[in-house]
Amino acid sequence: SAVISQKPSRDICQRGTSLTIQCQVDSQVTMMFWYRQQPGQSLTLIATANQGSEATYESGFVIDKFPISRPNLTFSTLTVSNMSPEDSSIYLCSVGGQGGNTIYFGEGSWLTVV
Amino acid sequence: GIQVEQSPPDLILQEGANSTLRCNFSDSVNNLQWFHQNPWGQLINLFYIPSGTKQNGRLSATTVATERYSLLYISSSQTTDSGVYFCAVEGSGGSYIPTFGRGTSLIVHP
Repeated sequence: SAVISQKPSRDICQRGTSLTIQCQVDSQVTMMFWYRQQPGQSLTLIATANQGSEATYESGFVIDKFPISRPNLTFSTLTVSNMSPEDSSIYLCSVGGQGGNTIYFGEGSWLTVV
Repeated sequence: GIQVEQSPPDLILQEGANSTLRCNFSDSVNNLQWFHQNPWGQLINLFYIPSGTKQNGRLSATTVATERYSLLYISSSQTTDSGVYFCAVEGSGGSYIPTFGRGTSLIVHP
């Protein structure tokens, strides 16, 4: 199993500011995933973060808006830049999957942009 | 990519009732998991079940991979079962990216 610590758990942010979310895993993992969950919706994958390389972004998400760092095999950050109310969501990091492994999630970061 | 459909979208129960949630998927899978998202947004892993049947207390799940569906059974429901239940699958095509269904929102009244 994997234990994932994510912070902040909750924040209220001003429009136009940026916020960085941190995700720490208790074991080394190759791939980490960042998801966004807008109110009342399912999870949407933002990007896949591999250690030592640029993150791979899904359609509709760009690096300028959601820069990701992956400095080592246990840690990653997601920054939500120049926030607007439409960015109000739960942001979740995840590990696992990849062809038959159990998927685990962090506790989530609930962002409200005002 | 693989399509995932969950039903029903919403479910309201009285405490003590039983329920069945369904997840249909469009292609063969390497991985299928059921998650419970509590009202605080946390996603709890319920079952890793690409095939077969598993039980954990009042919850059980069955996946019939050849017919491309999975069922989650909740027996003697409690108010703490309230939340959203998601099914997530990884197709066997090698993308390694899980696809989530839209979820079933469950409310259990006391």
